[in-house]
Amino acid sequence: DAGVIQSPRHEVTEMGQEVTLRCKPISGHNSLFWYRQTMMRGLELLIYFNNNVPIDDSGMPEDRFSAKMPNASFSTLKIQPSEPRDSAVYFCASSPGSWFSSSYNEQFFGPGTRLTVL
Amino acid sequence: RKEVEQDPGPFNVPEGATVAFNCTYSNSASQSFFWYRQDCRKEPKLLMSVYSSGNEDGRFTAQLNRASQYISLLIRDSKLSDSATYLCVPGNQGGKLIFGQGTELSVKP
Repeated sequence: DAGVIQSPRHEVTEMGQEVTLRCKPISGHNSLFWYRQTMMRGLELLIYFNNNVPIDDSGMPEDRFSAKMPNASFSTLKIQPSEPRDSAVYFCASSPGSWFSSSYNEQFFGPGTRLTVL
Repeated sequence: RKEVEQDPGPFNVPEGATVAFNCTYSNSASQSFFWYRQDCRKEPKLLMSVYSSGNEDGRFTAQLNRASQYISLLIRDSKLSDSATYLCVPGNQGGKLIFGQGTELSVKP
């Protein structure tokens, strides 16, 4: 079975450019999560969706970041305009659980997108 | 107080050693708990779930102390392949997982 798929795996861009990261969750999973990982701050939750609806976006750093989930099999995280401090590894994860269930929180991570903003 | 606190390490141990990591969490409402493992430059992967007072899976034992709000992970007979960062993860209501900064383990021959 395919796991969580992310693209691109690596992205190098210049400051001010728009960046779009993509994620395909595991089929049948109800929840999707976007994380950012840096050496300084560790793994931070940016936003998560349940049944395609954003449940909590309190981790989104600022208005330059936006995320969408138009259907159950696809999500995007967009940064516009990008800045050097956005350089990080961005992970997408999916989970078979729902937001109201505390006992099915196992999350399956994609391989990540390593973003470098020059 | 941080939501999850872990000793970042690194823990440098010889093969065959027993090593233990502790983790404390601040949200007393957390119901489920996990240990994830992350290899260098890879994604985190679930190592163990901890739903009651603790559980064992081969060389790995996880324990939960709700009263003191800490979770531990014990690795017996450590292997070179156990070298990784171990992330302590309490699960909160609403599906959110709060990841600790991780404890780095390096097993030497």
